[in-house]
Amino acid sequence: ELKVEQNPLFLSMQEGKNYTIYCNYSTTSDRLYWYRQDPGKSLESLFVLLSNGAVKQEGRLMASLDTKARLSTLHITAAVHDLSATYFCAVDLSNSGYALNFGKGTSLLVTP
Amino acid sequence: EAEVAQSPRYKITEKSQAVAFWCDPISGHATLYWYRQILGQGPELLVQFQDESVVDDSQLPKDRFSAERLKGVDSTLKIQPAELGDSAMYLCASRRNVAAGGYTFGSGTRLTVV
Repeated sequence: ELKVEQNPLFLSMQEGKNYTIYCNYSTTSDRLYWYRQDPGKSLESLFVLLSNGAVKQEGRLMASLDTKARLSTLHITAAVHDLSATYFCAVDLSNSGYALNFGKGTSLLVTP
Repeated sequence: EAEVAQSPRYKITEKSQAVAFWCDPISGHATLYWYRQILGQGPELLVQFQDESVVDDSQLPKDRFSAERLKGVDSTLKIQPAELGDSAMYLCASRRNVAAGGYTFGSGTRLTVV
C-alpha cells in the first residue's frame, strides 16, 4: 500500500520568513505532484515533477524531487499572506492505475 | 482554458435521501476520477474510469454508492441512501491518458447531509 506522508501538518509562519514542507512516500515513483487548496475550493496544480532531481520554481515556491530518497520538498521563500492555504503532495503509480494518492496536507498560515 | 465541469456546486440533503453528482471532463480525456475529500483530510479515490470502463472502484462503498460513465464522456456519482458521514467535497478529475502527467480537477461538489 502506497503511503504519502507530509510534515508538518500545520505551519504558522511570519511574513518574510523561509520554510520547507516535506513529502515522503513509501513506494518508488518518478512522478510527484504539488497542489494548493484554498478553503472551500478545489485543487490548483502547482508543480508536476517527473524525474529524479527535478526542480521547479514559481514565484516564492520551489519544489524538488529525490526519487532515491522518496522525498519531495516544497520550499517557501520570503512568505507573504497570499500563500496561506493548504498544500498537498500526491504520487501516482502504474500499479494503481495512475490514480493520485494524496498526503494529508499541510495547512499554512502566514501572519504579519 | 478547458475545464472539468461539475454540478451542483453545493448540495444539502437529508439523511437517507438519494443524491447525485455530475461531472463532464475535458473533451478527449479518456481517464476520469472521482475523489472524496472529508474536511481536513486529503482527497481519497472512490472510482477511476478508462473510457466507459471501471478501472478501480475498490474504495467505493458499493452498498450505497454507484458511479457510471455510460458513453465514456460525462459521469454520474450517486449515493443512496445518504448518511451523515458522507458529508464531504466530491471532486472529479480527468486526464488524457494514464501516461499523461497532468490531471485537471473540477470545482467540486460540497455535500452536506443533515
